[in-house]
Amino acid sequence: DTEVTQTPKHLVMGMTNKKSLKCEQHMGHRAMYWYKQKAKKPPELMFVYSYEKLSINESVPSRFSPECPNSSLLNLHLHALQPEDSALYLCASSHTDAGPDYGYTFGSGTRLTVV
Amino acid sequence: RKEVEQDPGPFNVPEGATVAFNCTYSNSASQSFFWYRQDCRKEPKLLMSVYSSGNEDGRFTAQLNRASQYISLLIRDSKLSDSATYLCVVSGGSNYKLTFGKGTLLTVNP
Repeated sequence: DTEVTQTPKHLVMGMTNKKSLKCEQHMGHRAMYWYKQKAKKPPELMFVYSYEKLSINESVPSRFSPECPNSSLLNLHLHALQPEDSALYLCASSHTDAGPDYGYTFGSGTRLTVV
Repeated sequence: RKEVEQDPGPFNVPEGATVAFNCTYSNSASQSFFWYRQDCRKEPKLLMSVYSSGNEDGRFTAQLNRASQYISLLIRDSKLSDSATYLCVVSGGSNYKLTFGKGTLLTVNP
């Protein structure tokens, strides 16, 4: 299995809703990531988990709350989002904690629209 | 200076053309270098890792010059299916952070 699976693929939520994005990989990768990508822009790093512990938070607002229940799963909990948070949310994973020697594998993303 | 800078593009080339993308990075401690391609409304996909010795995969050749902090990607005999955004990506230091260039849009025309 060489995939990163993200669900849902599309999500529309109101500004008062609570929702969660899910990401799963079974490649034995011990680093997992959340990226946010706006149209015609490159992906921007949000969070990095290494060995199930949060190692990087790129000053992301608290309305985004990551969680890594185990080495295969990564969640992103969403609450009280703003319309400007609408974007493609990408999960990725990589091999080792020495750096992404073999590159990252990205999931196909969740396209989020906040109304 | 931006961390990773790429040719702004867009590039429009005919089928069969050779096209080259250039990229520079500012962090001399960077350790890993990649080219990703991203199709419209899809996720980025790893095209090639880039090594100092240069590496080739079919019609694609990537080069790294650490002294100049410069990375290149050459595509020979362009195909329609090569149309995509090409992202120069750099990682380094003690963390896992990938830094993306803004991407260069390539359109290969029949």
